Amino acid sequence: AQSVTQLDSQVPVFEEAPVELRCNYSSSVSVYLFWYVQYPNQGLQLLLKYLSGSTLVKGINGFEAEFNKSQTSFHLRKPSVHISDTAEYFCAVSDRAPGGSARQLTFGSGTQLTVLP
Amino acid sequence: NAGVTQTPKFQVLKTGQSMTLQCAQDMNHNSMYWYRQDPGMGLRLIYYSASEGTTDKGEVPNGYNVSRLNKREFSLRLESAAPSQTSVYFCASSDKTGSSYEQYFGPGTRLTVT
Repeated sequence: AQSVTQLDSQVPVFEEAPVELRCNYSSSVSVYLFWYVQYPNQGLQLLLKYLSGSTLVKGINGFEAEFNKSQTSFHLRKPSVHISDTAEYFCAVSDRAPGGSARQLTFGSGTQLTVLP
Repeated sequence: NAGVTQTPKFQVLKTGQSMTLQCAQDMNHNSMYWYRQDPGMGLRLIYYSASEGTTDKGEVPNGYNVSRLNKREFSLRLESAAPSQTSVYFCASSDKTGSSYEQYFGPGTRLTVT
């Protein structure tokens, strides 16, 4: 089974500063990778996904992520954050579910991004 | 197009009580999932249903049962609630679009067991 490690549980950053949220995954075989965002008291919303092709993936709200196969990483970046980016961010990898009949998402433990004024 | 809906939004149970969490999707997806979210642990898969009429255990199935009532609906039942089941529960659905297995999430049910 896959595993996903989000190296920082909390990231405080000032408004308009750049930010990087780090994610490493365990598998060296072909993977599908995702970043989801969760605003307070809401469900998860897809930010971006890597399936194949270009290693730089652009998502919503100005976020982007870079797939690095040799380092098994998929770090999320934004060049200038806003107060409204304050949320929890989850990295996830898609693999076979335990019964083998569908695909599941294995999530990291999450990174709380807090943007300070 | 409501996406994935869940009821109730909040629930408080006493230890030993039972309840069913409801989930419905209107995207004609084949696969549906139940996750629980606990602080510092991300989301963990409880059960999933690859298609109508099938269900399988995920990572943390103990204490739960599920029913895939039809293609739209997938319910999660707690037969005898325990304080360890205090959590936020999310339902999700997905289907293969191209090579993508993106999942769509409901707003969650916040459950407290006292």
